[in-house]
Amino acid sequence: TQLLEQSPQFLSIQEGENLTVYCNSSSVFSSLQWYRQEPGEGPVLLVTVVTGGEVKKLKRLTFQFGDARKDSSLHITAAQPGDTGLYLCAGLPYSGAGSYQLTFGKGTKLSVIP
Amino acid sequence: NAGVTQTPKFQVLKTGQSMTLQCAQDMNHNSMYWYRQDPGMGLRLIYYSASEGTTDKGEVPNGYNVSRLNKREFSLRLESAAPSQTSVYFCASSEGRRGVFSWETQYFGPGTRLLVL
Repeated sequence: TQLLEQSPQFLSIQEGENLTVYCNSSSVFSSLQWYRQEPGEGPVLLVTVVTGGEVKKLKRLTFQFGDARKDSSLHITAAQPGDTGLYLCAGLPYSGAGSYQLTFGKGTKLSVIP
Repeated sequence: NAGVTQTPKFQVLKTGQSMTLQCAQDMNHNSMYWYRQDPGMGLRLIYYSASEGTTDKGEVPNGYNVSRLNKREFSLRLESAAPSQTSVYFCASSEGRRGVFSWETQYFGPGTRLLVL
């Protein structure tokens, strides 16, 4: 099993602050996805990154895929209460890694306080 | 379009009882998945179906069986429920055009919360 470690596990910030959450592994992934999950609902895809060094922006969210394709980060600028939720990263290993299963991290639970 | 729907939303079972979790998607997707989500464990794949008529084991298949009834429906069965199967179960689907494991978007249902006493 290819492990994805997410940090921090919990994050509580005030509205308007900036934050970064991380997704790290010792394994190489062909692609990496970020999902957001709200209480009582299923995860919803935010972005997919497939190229080492790739940076994608989605309004106030900036996603980066590490050059070595082993890590990713999600940066939120000026957080809003609507950003509250569980952020999950999920990686697809290279075929040579021995597994085709989409691996999920345990998530970062973000609370944005008004 | 409803997307991915799951029934029931909540269920309480006694140890040893059986039940089937239902999942249906209306997006004409080829691939479907069953995950369980436990505190501190993240999402773990139980079974998947690359296409109608095929199913394969995921990371944690023990104690479960699945049926891909048709292209729309993918059910998960617990034959003899155990307390360790208390969890939130999510069904998901994806287009499956690149093969079942590719960087496609997976669309998740709202989940079934199962408590086994």
